Amino acid sequence: NAGVMQNPRHLVRRRGQEARLRCSPMKGHSHVYWYRQLPEEGLKFMVYLQKENIIDESGMPKERFSAEFPKEGPSILRIQQVVRGDSAAYFCASSYQGLNSYEQYFGPGTRLTVT
Amino acid sequence: DAKTTQPPSMDCAEGRAANLPCNHSTISGNEYVYWYRQIHSQGPQYIIHGLKNNETNEMASLIITEDRKSSTLILPHATLRDTAVYYCIVRVAGVNDYKLSFGAGTTVTVRA
Repeated sequence: NAGVMQNPRHLVRRRGQEARLRCSPMKGHSHVYWYRQLPEEGLKFMVYLQKENIIDESGMPKERFSAEFPKEGPSILRIQQVVRGDSAAYFCASSYQGLNSYEQYFGPGTRLTVT
Repeated sequence: DAKTTQPPSMDCAEGRAANLPCNHSTISGNEYVYWYRQIHSQGPQYIIHGLKNNETNEMASLIITEDRKSSTLILPHATLRDTAVYYCIVRVAGVNDYKLSFGAGTTVTVRA
């Protein structure tokens, strides 16, 4: 897990508010992946980004969720108008290569609680 | 349509070897076997991967059967810090192999 940083580690939001989750990849890595882990379930792929590009967002819910990875700064996962069902752990991973990456390095996660 | 099957849980004595089985009877010729683990409240951690030959690194050994339909992850000297959920994942090495799919895994508890 060393190197991938996520913040905040814990986030509490009331229903209807916005949640912004940040991920800084390992140094030298330009590929970022977001996963969601619902309570008592395994991680599920959400989105794969490179700098300024969304490569695959097939795992993202169609509404309220968006992700970006700007040229400068961390990757952001944004959830608008959060609902209780969004409560989960959100993990970011990064890799040096993309489509042929063998290892994804994960961050410690952000635990979102919607009250 | 799970691609791997793992026992839900297992216990191991500290200092002993832990042998974690995984069945992947439908594995394709170009699919690798990967192992990750997730210690409580942390992100998944890569352990090891292999195609058909046995592999060893500083963390573990991976034994893949000759027909590649099953494999065993071996933690040679388990410590309390090895208590975690262990995931066996089958991946194609190539285009579109970035979507890691984590099932329920095996919850390993190392006891003193």
